[in-house]
Amino acid sequence: KQEVTQIPAALSVPEGENLVLNCSFTDSAIYNLQWFRQDPGKGLTSLLLIQSSQREQTSGRLNASLDKSSGRSTLYIAASQPGDSATYLCAVKSNDYKLSFGAGTTVTVRA
Amino acid sequence: DVKVTQSSRYLVKRTGEKVFLECVQDMDHENMFWYRQDPGLGLRLIYFSYDVKMKEKGDIPEGYSVSREKKERFSLILESASTNQTSMYLCASRLDYNYGYTFGSGTRLTVV
Repeated sequence: KQEVTQIPAALSVPEGENLVLNCSFTDSAIYNLQWFRQDPGKGLTSLLLIQSSQREQTSGRLNASLDKSSGRSTLYIAASQPGDSATYLCAVKSNDYKLSFGAGTTVTVRA
Repeated sequence: DVKVTQSSRYLVKRTGEKVFLECVQDMDHENMFWYRQDPGLGLRLIYFSYDVKMKEKGDIPEGYSVSREKKERFSLILESASTNQTSMYLCASRLDYNYGYTFGSGTRLTVV
């Protein structure tokens, strides 16, 4: 069974600092990995999707890398802003229909 | 952009009631999913559907059923609501297995 771990569980940084969020998974036979953002009491917003054949994906200030062999993905958020405060979830697809989620990293960006 | 719409943001229901949670997607996605999210337990898959009139049990189907009569709509049914079904319910859809998931904004259900 795929196990997904996100470290740290919580992170607090001053505005302008770069954020580094980590995701590790136990089974390297994955189809893709997706990063989501969740604001309190809301649904999940997709940030980036990385297919198993890709090493990274970028969207604006966000960059996600994938190292399948070591079972790791990292989400980088450049020049953080207070609006980046949220919980970030990593999800790994290991078979056709199921996602395995990490518990998330809760980020606070201090103004 | 794909939109996944959940009909209610907040619901309060009584124990024993039959509860319907509705989810509609507007981009002809094949696959649809229902999750619940609880503190300390994360997201857990209840049911999913890979096509109209098809359904598969997820990890925690007990006490729930689903209906998918049309491609765009996937309904979650709590046959007899219980207090342990108080949770955030999230619907998601996906074009097919190679694509990412799009989630709705969630329904916070409280069973009293």
